[in-house]
Amino acid sequence: AQSVTQPDIHITVSEGASLELRCNYSYGATPYLFWYVQSPGQGLQLLLKYFSGDTLVQGIKGFEAEFKRSQSSFNLRKPSVHWSDAAEYFCAVGESTGKLIFGQGTTLQVKP
Amino acid sequence: ETGVTQTPRHLVMGMTNKKSLKCEQHLGHNAMYWYKQSAKKPLELMFVYSLEERVENNSVPSRFSPECPNSSHLFLHLHTLQPEDSALYLCASSQVTGGVKNIQYFGAGTRLSVL
Repeated sequence: AQSVTQPDIHITVSEGASLELRCNYSYGATPYLFWYVQSPGQGLQLLLKYFSGDTLVQGIKGFEAEFKRSQSSFNLRKPSVHWSDAAEYFCAVGESTGKLIFGQGTTLQVKP
Repeated sequence: ETGVTQTPRHLVMGMTNKKSLKCEQHLGHNAMYWYKQSAKKPLELMFVYSLEERVENNSVPSRFSPECPNSSHLFLHLHTLQPEDSALYLCASSQVTGGVKNIQYFGAGTRLSVL
């Protein structure tokens, strides 16, 4: 069965430090991958997506993600974290039906 | 993304009440979704409507009843809920292209508390 695993439930980084959030997926075919962010009290906002082509994709707010087929991973990165990046981050894989399978999410806390 | 609007934002109801959640999308999409988001659990897909037809119902209890009168509106009718139904209910919409590339856009959610 298709699944998405985000190994880190909670991560704390200092403002200005780099960030990497991990995502591993299990999917039989070519995956379509997404990262969403959810600020407190808000819905999910799309950060970036991978459909095909260049395995390094750029998103909004300075985020990027790299698709590594050999590792079944789609990790999210940001070179320098801002306090406003504190939120919950969700990785998702798109099935052939258009349905999204979400990971459990990673909560990011930013220390001043 | 402000193209999907959910009302109310917060709702408190007793177990014997009947209430409805509303979702409206202004993006010209033709598919809409209801998700349940509980603490410490992944998002759970509840219902999918594509071209105003229900195409998926993930074993959701009958106390939740969806309605999609047109491609822009989606409702979730609630009755005789249980305390464990307290959660954030998220609506999303997408343009169905027949493939996996449809991108879902989410509303801000309705925070439901069942007393």
